[in-house]
Amino acid sequence: ETGVTQSPTHLIKTRGQQVTLRCSSQSGHNTVSWYQQALGQGPQFIFQYYREEENGRGNFPPRFSGLQFPNYSSELNVNALELDDSALYLCASSSNRFTGGSALDEQYFGPGTRLTVT
Amino acid sequence: AQSVTQPDIHITVSEGASLELRCNYSYGATPYLFWYVQSPGQGLQLLLKYFSGDTLVQGIKGFEAEFKRSQSSFNLRKPSVHWSDAAEYFCAVGAYGAAGNKLTFGGGTRVLVKP
Repeated sequence: ETGVTQSPTHLIKTRGQQVTLRCSSQSGHNTVSWYQQALGQGPQFIFQYYREEENGRGNFPPRFSGLQFPNYSSELNVNALELDDSALYLCASSSNRFTGGSALDEQYFGPGTRLTVT
Repeated sequence: AQSVTQPDIHITVSEGASLELRCNYSYGATPYLFWYVQSPGQGLQLLLKYFSGDTLVQGIKGFEAEFKRSQSSFNLRKPSVHWSDAAEYFCAVGAYGAAGNKLTFGGGTRVLVKP
């Protein structure tokens, strides 16, 4: 069973540029969530994709956008990069089973992409 | 809105000693609670989770956690710490609903293990 993979591992961008981060979900999972982890802090929820549609969003501006593809892999796009966007970006996949809300499906995290904005 | 507080930013413990990490949560309904561990340069690994039932939950690597509804706490414990337990630990509460299955994390506790 292949785990969650992310690419690239590290990335350096200049303020104002755009960046695309990629995530391949674990086999059998249909949901991908993205989190931002600033240095010294816990991860913060950016958004989630289920069956190619956004399925929830945290407190992030519209310049953070995403896509999910038919094979359930996902991209996170950030436009007009700011210095504060420097962080570790984590992708997590899960199997979203709508079972009446009786359980929260476990999210499996990838190793992350370290983005530095200069 | 849900929130998680981990009061201890750093904890130093001697190898072989016991460890307890504190976690307090705020959530309006029955909480789904998790503990994750993150080693340097790594992603998050799930140690254990609580959904319902027995309030004492066993996890991997010899960790356990106890859910106390009256105290809104979900503290993580390990009876005897190994040097490999040095890492950052995150408590999280899960929300399931229209906003997706999102996790809200605490700020983390960094554990240092002395030989």
